Amino acid sequence: GAVVSQHPSWVICKSGTSVKIECRSLDFQATTMFWYRQFPKQSLMLMATSNEGSKATYEQGVEKDKFLINHASLTLSTLTVTSAHPEDSSFYICSASYHGANVLTFGAGSRLTVL
Amino acid sequence: GESVGLHLPTLSVQEGDNSIINCAYSNSASDYFIWYKQESGKGPQFIIDIRSNMDKRQGQRVTVLLNKTVKHLSLQIAATQPGDSAVYFCAEIRTSYDKVIFGPGTSLSVIP
Repeated sequence: GAVVSQHPSWVICKSGTSVKIECRSLDFQATTMFWYRQFPKQSLMLMATSNEGSKATYEQGVEKDKFLINHASLTLSTLTVTSAHPEDSSFYICSASYHGANVLTFGAGSRLTVL
Repeated sequence: GESVGLHLPTLSVQEGDNSIINCAYSNSASDYFIWYKQESGKGPQFIIDIRSNMDKRQGQRVTVLLNKTVKHLSLQIAATQPGDSAVYFCAEIRTSYDKVIFGPGTSLSVIP
């Protein structure tokens, strides 16, 4: 149980376009989802925390207008990288937890390459 | 983000030997800790966890030790196998904030 699915697993886009990444909890309802960014040979950096039905809480230094997060249902959160640039190329990983349990399950990640 | 990116320290061990991976955490208010394993191109995979009211927890071939006095966490892997080669991250959770903060990670390389 507790499976989190991310889609797409990889995406290549042109500079200036927007890219949407989906994060789904497949067999549980995720009250909270987290989005991380990971550069090569580095740790995961928390970008934002999203709770279903409310606005995401962004970490310091993360531009909320550039990284749009929507958590419209208990099983789906989306991250949209707007007007992507090459420096946005990274591995984006989501995780989900459900209320009352300290269980955090990670998706397999989405590799974004901006040309 | 709160986790500062650093170049990964590396640990090389001979197959069959025991591995010890260390981690210093930042906040004395953290009350839950998790070790994750991340293979190349994949998301983190849960290995073992420990709460702050414990100082040791054992799993299958893995043991986590917690020293709250010096804010130190370690992961011991017994009889290390080639399949254990990966990057290992410790993560601290402040359950009152329900937020997970990752350490810098250690790259484990198992020599056959």
